[in-house]
Amino acid sequence: DVKVTQSSRYLVKRTGEKVFLECVQDMDHENMFWYRQDPGLGLRLIYFSYDVKMKEKGDIPEGYSVSREKKERFSLILESASTNQTSMYLCAWGLRETQYFGPGTRLLVL
Amino acid sequence: GESVGLHLPTLSVQEGDNSIINCAYSNSASDYFIWYKQESGKGPQFIIDIRSNMDKRQGQRVTVLLNKTVKHLSLQIAATQPGDSAVYFCAENMEDGGATNKLIFGTGTLLAVQP
Repeated sequence: DVKVTQSSRYLVKRTGEKVFLECVQDMDHENMFWYRQDPGLGLRLIYFSYDVKMKEKGDIPEGYSVSREKKERFSLILESASTNQTSMYLCAWGLRETQYFGPGTRLLVL
Repeated sequence: GESVGLHLPTLSVQEGDNSIINCAYSNSASDYFIWYKQESGKGPQFIIDIRSNMDKRQGQRVTVLLNKTVKHLSLQIAATQPGDSAVYFCAENMEDGGATNKLIFGTGTLLAVQP
């Protein structure tokens, strides 16, 4: 089974801090995704990537950027964290249409 | 069904009973669907999928039914167990003609299994 790891399960940051969320998959899969999950809103796509150094905006990219320097690692960056970015962040890898998720990082911005 | 506002619809069942969780999807052109299970504090877990050329697909203790006429998907869990307690949500594939397929997710139903 492919394993997806996220760097932290829980994270507390202050407004204005730069935040890095790391996601690593242990297979050679090309497609990777970052979502946030909020009560009542479901999963919303922030960014995705289908190859090294490639990135595409999802539905809510504002306030975020991403980095894909190596195929196995897809990083989500909050340039200047704000309280409305408090959320559960989920990384996923994709095989054709199917997506498989990591354990998630619950971020609290104070 | 899908949630409204901040409150998830909840299905409460007795241990051993069968559960049926429903999902209405939005895009009549969607051709692939997935059910996920998400336990508290964890990432979503793939359960079962189905393509639009099928009406029914069975897994271990789970069955997915697809009714394209009314754009409705259901997940049936046989002999529900306490470990089945979780949020279940569906996802539909929105083919955008690009290299990567996007999924559109429902907001989920909370399944509560009573011992």
